[in-house]
Amino acid sequence: EVQLVESGGGLVQPGRSLRLSCTASGFTFGDYAMSWVRQAPGKGLEWVGFIRSKAYGGTTEYAASVKGRFTISRDDSKSIAYLQMNSLKTEDTAVYYCTRGSYYGSGSPVDYWGQGTLVTVSS
Amino acid sequence: EIVLTQSPATLSLSPGERATLSCGASQSVSSSYLAWYQQKPGLAPRLLIYDASSRATGIPDRFSGSGSGTDFTLTISRLEPEDFAVYYCQQYGSSPYTFGQGTKLEIK
Repeated sequence: EVQLVESGGGLVQPGRSLRLSCTASGFTFGDYAMSWVRQAPGKGLEWVGFIRSKAYGGTTEYAASVKGRFTISRDDSKSIAYLQMNSLKTEDTAVYYCTRGSYYGSGSPVDYWGQGTLVTVSS
Repeated sequence: EIVLTQSPATLSLSPGERATLSCGASQSVSSSYLAWYQQKPGLAPRLLIYDASSRATGIPDRFSGSGSGTDFTLTISRLEPEDFAVYYCQQYGSSPYTFGQGTKLEIK
């Protein structure tokens, strides 16, 4: 059974940093891209970014709203994906979902989601 | 960036009725790489439809998707009580893989 478990959320002040982790199980982690999607309270879904598998260069892509501030990385030996969030803004407050991406280098529909972790950016 | 616009924002229907939800794209979605998701309060979204018209595993056949290019539709043939939720479309043909703003399907 595929499982994605996020951790690391919490309350953080504007301008500070936070790192989220996503621990995966139930599939060969290194074969898949991993992505992050967020949802501000009472709002819709926003795609944050993803990281390809090593087979496709392990490269990353990001939404314009987070580019230059957020970094996605992966540790295939531990089956963990990370979302490093720097220079946080109040508008980054959201539930952050870890999702499984494509087996290939392109985009894909999201068939597996984590339970989400809440990040609150406030002074 | 491809902008997806969903309509209507809210749809009020009764169980047993047919629901038609629309998703319009600002540019053509390559290879019809469009998905539909259902989200209930407090839960992660669930994949319903991918590649515009293919049902995901375990999704009842009352859910169907259609469309290509810039116009896509999710149809629920006969609404069940558990279908009342928020629905999102997403394109994954061109990065960034954007979502629509959602349609809330509520009980009339």
